[in-house]
Amino acid sequence: DVKVTQSSRYLVKRTGEKVFLECVQDMDHENMFWYRQDPGLGLRLIYFSYDVKMKEKGDIPEGYSVSREKKERFSLILESASTNQTSMYLCATRTHSGRTDTQYFGPGTRLTVL
Amino acid sequence: GESVGLHLPTLSVQEGDNSIINCAYSNSASDYFIWYKQESGKGPQFIIDIRSNMDKRQGQRVTVLLNKTVKHLSLQIAATQPGDSAVYFCAENTGGFKTIFGAGTRLFVKA
Repeated sequence: DVKVTQSSRYLVKRTGEKVFLECVQDMDHENMFWYRQDPGLGLRLIYFSYDVKMKEKGDIPEGYSVSREKKERFSLILESASTNQTSMYLCATRTHSGRTDTQYFGPGTRLTVL
Repeated sequence: GESVGLHLPTLSVQEGDNSIINCAYSNSASDYFIWYKQESGKGPQFIIDIRSNMDKRQGQRVTVLLNKTVKHLSLQIAATQPGDSAVYFCAENTGGFKTIFGAGTRLFVKA
């Protein structure tokens, strides 16, 4: 069974703090993604990684960075958290198999920045 | 620009009735479409997909219809059950890394 886990379900941080969100998958998938989900805006891609140590910016990378040192782990970093980064953060993985684009999502981390 | 949108933000149906959730897309180059279900407190879960060379695909109690002429996608759920209550997202992909998600439709099932 596919499993994507995220380090925290709920997180409360203060403005200016450095925040780490971790995602771990056990499916040996090459591709991993970080999205944020806001009401009325759907899912917006922050960053993705298509292989270890490889990363690409998504649609809204400003204020974020990522790290992929191991295949199974993809971390999202907020260098200096701001209140407009309060959101639901979703990690997803995808196998690189032809043109299939089925993504498997983690349960999400609801981050509140005060 | 490209967008994937939903006609209705909420849909309320009686238990046992059929549900139809609609989606419009604007990128004619998209060739792969997916429906996801997101229950409260969980991440989106894959339901069914369809490629642009098809106009209909059926799963267990779900059917996806694709009308490329009017760039319209729909998800039909037969005999809707309380467990179907969730937010449903359509998504489109042009074969690359990027998937465009719609804003979602919340389905309420009345007992």
